[in-house]
Amino acid sequence: DAKTTQPPSMDCAEGRAANLPCNHSTISGNEYVYWYRQIHSQGPQYIIHGLKNNETNEMASLIITEDRKSSTLILPHATLRDTAVYYCIVRVKQNYGQNFVFGPGTRLSVLP
Amino acid sequence: DAGVIQSPRHEVTEMGQEVTLRCKPISGHDYLFWYRQTMMRGLELLIYFNNNVPIDDSGMPEDRFSAKMPNASFSTLKIQPSEPRDSAVYFCASSLERQGNQPQHFGDGTRLSIL
Repeated sequence: DAKTTQPPSMDCAEGRAANLPCNHSTISGNEYVYWYRQIHSQGPQYIIHGLKNNETNEMASLIITEDRKSSTLILPHATLRDTAVYYCIVRVKQNYGQNFVFGPGTRLSVLP
Repeated sequence: DAGVIQSPRHEVTEMGQEVTLRCKPISGHDYLFWYRQTMMRGLELLIYFNNNVPIDDSGMPEDRFSAKMPNASFSTLKIQPSEPRDSAVYFCASSLERQGNQPQHFGDGTRLSIL
C-alpha cells in the first residue's frame, strides 16, 4: 500500500496562497491522490483528486510531479475558514472494492 | 443536495447499554462506509458495504460491534454492550463507485460518550 508523508503543521497568512506538500514515493501507476480536509467537529470534506495531470476546481489546485512521487495542494487565497487538518491520501484499490487510509494529516492554521 | 445524514449528532450513555448509530447515504450511492475517529488512533475504517452487502468488516474492533444495511438508504452501527473505550466520533460516508475512483462523502458524525 502506498503511504503518504505530510508535515504535521503549517501556518499561512490570510489572503496568501497555502501550499500543502505530500510525499507518496511508493505510489503505483493506477493509484489516485486524494485530498480531504477536516474542520473542527465536522466530517472530512472532499477537496480534489487526480492521477497524473494537474487538477483545479473551485476549492483548490492539485499539482502532481511528473514522477508522481509527490504532490502539492494549493489554496490560492486562504481564509480563516480554511483552518483545518488536511489529509493527503493515496487510494488503495483492492480487488473487490476500495479503501481510504487517513494518516495524521497537516494542521493548517490561517492567521489574520 | 442532501449530503450524508447521521443521527444522533451526540449520544451519551452508560456503560453496558446498547447504542445504535444511524446513517442515510447520498441517494444513488452504491458504497457506504463506517469510520471511527479518536485522538489516539485517528480515523479508522470499521466496515463498508457495496450495494447493501458487507464487503470488509476487518476493522470492526470486536463482536460487540455490528453493522447492517437493510436497504440502499439506511444503515446502522450497533454497539452492545457499550464500554467507555468505545467513546469516539463515528462517521458514515458514501460514494458512487460505478463511475470509478470517486471520492467518499462524509456525514458530520455522531459523537459518542460512554460513561
